[in-house]
Amino acid sequence: GAGVSQSPRYKVAKRGQDVALRCDPISGHVSLFWYQQALGQGPEFLTYFQNEAQLDKSGLPSDRFFAERPEGSVSTLKIQRTQQEDSAVYLCASSLGGSGQGTGQFFGPGTRLTVL
Amino acid sequence: AQSVTQLGSHVSVSEGALVLLRCNYSSSVPPYLFWYVQYPNQGLQLLLKYTTGATLVKGINGFEAEFKKSETSFHLTKPSAHMSDAAEYFCAVSPPPGYIFGTGTRLKVLA
Repeated sequence: GAGVSQSPRYKVAKRGQDVALRCDPISGHVSLFWYQQALGQGPEFLTYFQNEAQLDKSGLPSDRFFAERPEGSVSTLKIQRTQQEDSAVYLCASSLGGSGQGTGQFFGPGTRLTVL
Repeated sequence: AQSVTQLGSHVSVSEGALVLLRCNYSSSVPPYLFWYVQYPNQGLQLLLKYTTGATLVKGINGFEAEFKKSETSFHLTKPSAHMSDAAEYFCAVSPPPGYIFGTGTRLKVLA
């Protein structure tokens, strides 16, 4: 497909479990972003990659959150020892270059995580 | 620090009526501004963006927005609402790298 894809679309985890969320950006897009969207809120920035380099992780809420993009394309957001407050939609976005200021960021459909 | 305020979490308009969704921003540097639309169970779709140059920006689906620096505003308008416009709309500001989003405005279009 031509857009950003994310998997799984829905994930239910028991409190304390580890989860891994996958993002496939648009082919050729250099920059990749992760956001967390709580119910009824706007997306909040988590982290940013340019190619395989994680240039900003200032939005990650705790050290239980970890993101990687080892080959500069697919990215994985991992949450260890999930807590109920981690329940949210996790959005991935990509842009052709830089931060997407000029072209905008293109978003995937998101992964809805529910922690019981 | 940058921030975005969207006035009105819910807006209802009649089909064919003017749509006006309000966005005010705070930024210490010249901002880049965006409007996104989100349909249920879908990702965010870019409607339009302001980077530099002309302050009146036209986007997809007949939407437009005007950047007013003196009012720190970037309101979204559409002359005539259509049923298919019912969705949630988010205003966002950048400097980079991540965007800062408002809390969203849910638009309801009444037949």
